[in-house]
Amino acid sequence: GNSVTQMEGPVTLSEEAFLTINCTYTATGYPSLFWYVQYPGEGLQLLLKATKADDKGSNKGFEATYRKETTSFHLEKGSVQVSDSAVYFCALSDTRDDKIIFGKGTRLHILP
Amino acid sequence: GAVVSQHPSWVICKSGTSVKIECRSLDFQATTMFWYRQFPKQSLMLMATSNEGSKATYEQGVEKDKFLINHASLTLSTLTVTSAHPEDSSFYICSAPLGQSNYGYTFGSGTRLTVV
Repeated sequence: GNSVTQMEGPVTLSEEAFLTINCTYTATGYPSLFWYVQYPGEGLQLLLKATKADDKGSNKGFEATYRKETTSFHLEKGSVQVSDSAVYFCALSDTRDDKIIFGKGTRLHILP
Repeated sequence: GAVVSQHPSWVICKSGTSVKIECRSLDFQATTMFWYRQFPKQSLMLMATSNEGSKATYEQGVEKDKFLINHASLTLSTLTVTSAHPEDSSFYICSAPLGQSNYGYTFGSGTRLTVV
């Protein structure tokens, strides 16, 4: 079945550091891929998405590229800020049944 | 944009009582609603999928008699935790797809349930 694996946290970085959160997936079809973010005390928000191979999703300085050959969708940001501290979830959805499957989440701490 | 309003945001109840959580789609029709449970520092676990006008589909291991889901209209889906116990304490979140699933999903703000 479909699944998502993302790097375990917590990840602690200093402000302005480069961020990578790895995410790989297994899927039988052609899923869409997402990154969601959950800020402290809040619900989930869509950060970015990609619907087909080689698509790059980007938002708020974050980027992720849909790599079919490596079944990956790694999240990157060139210079993180304290306000980026949150939990990040990689997810995929299969258009055949609309279900969305989440990774376990990666907690990110950015130190000033 | 499409918004799902979830209430209550938090609730404390006594063991043995029932709690109802509501999710309303405010500016779109949600024919499908997904219900998730999130344990502390863990990922979201899909509990069930509700479809307007039909019975909900529960994931393996989820007790359908304990977690009653109703989707009576295109704008309202409810989750009732019956005879709640402390182990039911968790964060519950609903989600609706925005058209086709590759458009994304909108999420409710979540309900923190504490059973004492």
